[in-house]
Amino acid sequence: DAKTTQPNSMESNEEEPVHLPCNHSTISGTDYIHWYRQRPSQGPEYVIHGLTSNVNNRMASLAIAEDRKSSTLILHRATLRDAAVYYCILRDGGSNYQLIWGAGTKLIIKP
Amino acid sequence: DVKVTQSSRYLVKRTGEKVFLECVQDMDHENMFWYRQDPGLGLRLIYFSYDVKMKEKGDIPEGYSVSREKKERFSLILESASTNQTSMYLCASSIGQHSGNTIYFGEGSWLTVV
Repeated sequence: DAKTTQPNSMESNEEEPVHLPCNHSTISGTDYIHWYRQRPSQGPEYVIHGLTSNVNNRMASLAIAEDRKSSTLILHRATLRDAAVYYCILRDGGSNYQLIWGAGTKLIIKP
Repeated sequence: DVKVTQSSRYLVKRTGEKVFLECVQDMDHENMFWYRQDPGLGLRLIYFSYDVKMKEKGDIPEGYSVSREKKERFSLILESASTNQTSMYLCASSIGQHSGNTIYFGEGSWLTVV
């Protein structure tokens, strides 16, 4: 099974951009890359996902390497509400339900 | 917005009790999931359902059963609760079969078995 590797934690200042990296060197051609975040005592919240091309939405941007072996979640202007554990997840293209969860990166935002 | 609602946020049950965790989604999603989340172990899939009355075992089904009598409702049942089932339980749903589809999670149910 493909796996993801993320740093354990990162710190950023409020109102600055944040780049959260994820390595997934064994990704298969049909695996989508999903990002979720989880605030304390809450369920995971969808952030963004993509397959090959870079993606933007109102929450974040996702930059996917050309070889798809890594990706970066970009929060353009961090706020205190962005403090959470961010999970980089591969959704198995061969299975309807299998999610491969990494350990996540704890993002700390300093005021 | 999609809403996945878990009926109980916090429960305390005694060892041996039968426990029901209820989950309802309001977006007519085919797929529903039950996970448990423990520190250091991440999210682990207990059961999955892709249609009414259909279910599949996930990675850790032992000690659990599920029921899906209606499309919008997916119940997790602990037949005889044990202390090692103390955990946070997460329900989720998604549409269709495509791996690009978003999975929506509930707020979680914190179960303590004493």
